[in-house]
Amino acid sequence: AQSVTQLDSHVSVSEGTPVLLRCNYSSSYSPSLFWYVQHPNKGLQLLLKYTSAATLVKGINGFEAEFKKSETSFHLTKPSAHMSDAAEYFCVVSERLGTDKLIFGTGTRLQVFP
Amino acid sequence: GAVVSQHPSWVICKSGTSVKIECRSLDFQATTMFWYRQFPKQSLMLMATSNEGSKATYEQGVEKDKFLINHASLTLSTLTVTSAHPEDSSFYICSASSTGELFFGEGSRLTVL
Repeated sequence: AQSVTQLDSHVSVSEGTPVLLRCNYSSSYSPSLFWYVQHPNKGLQLLLKYTSAATLVKGINGFEAEFKKSETSFHLTKPSAHMSDAAEYFCVVSERLGTDKLIFGTGTRLQVFP
Repeated sequence: GAVVSQHPSWVICKSGTSVKIECRSLDFQATTMFWYRQFPKQSLMLMATSNEGSKATYEQGVEKDKFLINHASLTLSTLTVTSAHPEDSSFYICSASSTGELFFGEGSRLTVL
């Protein structure tokens, strides 16, 4: 069965410093992986997705993630945090190839301090 | 990108009543929509897959008689929480696929008193 593990439930950074949100996955096939962001009481917005093309994926708002098969990781990074980045971030894997059924990680709450 | 709209965005009801939540794809047709439930400070759990013109597929542990799903058109799926109880209070989110990408509604917060 496919799964994702988000290693940190909370991450706090200062504005202007780098962001690292960690995610490890487990999959019996080459997975499709996603990062979604959720602002308070809002729906989810897709930040980026990996679908077996380039291993370094660039997303919106300056975020990027690198698929590392050897480490089964898909960590999300951003060089410089902005106050507006404060939100909940979910690492997500598709349940099966070619399906829209998604399995969500437990989420990482990012706090950004001025 | 495509837009998925949910209504209402929040609802408060008395215990024992039924509540209907709508999920609409505004600018595309969706043969399949997904309903998720999110408890406070927790992740999203898939409840069911809504299929246009046929019965919904429920995930293990989700009561289909409790959470009625109807997908009568290519742009509308509804989730009805029947005989709601306080433990049904949650954030319900739907999603639909367009051109290979999933789009999520803004969610509906249900509070059962």
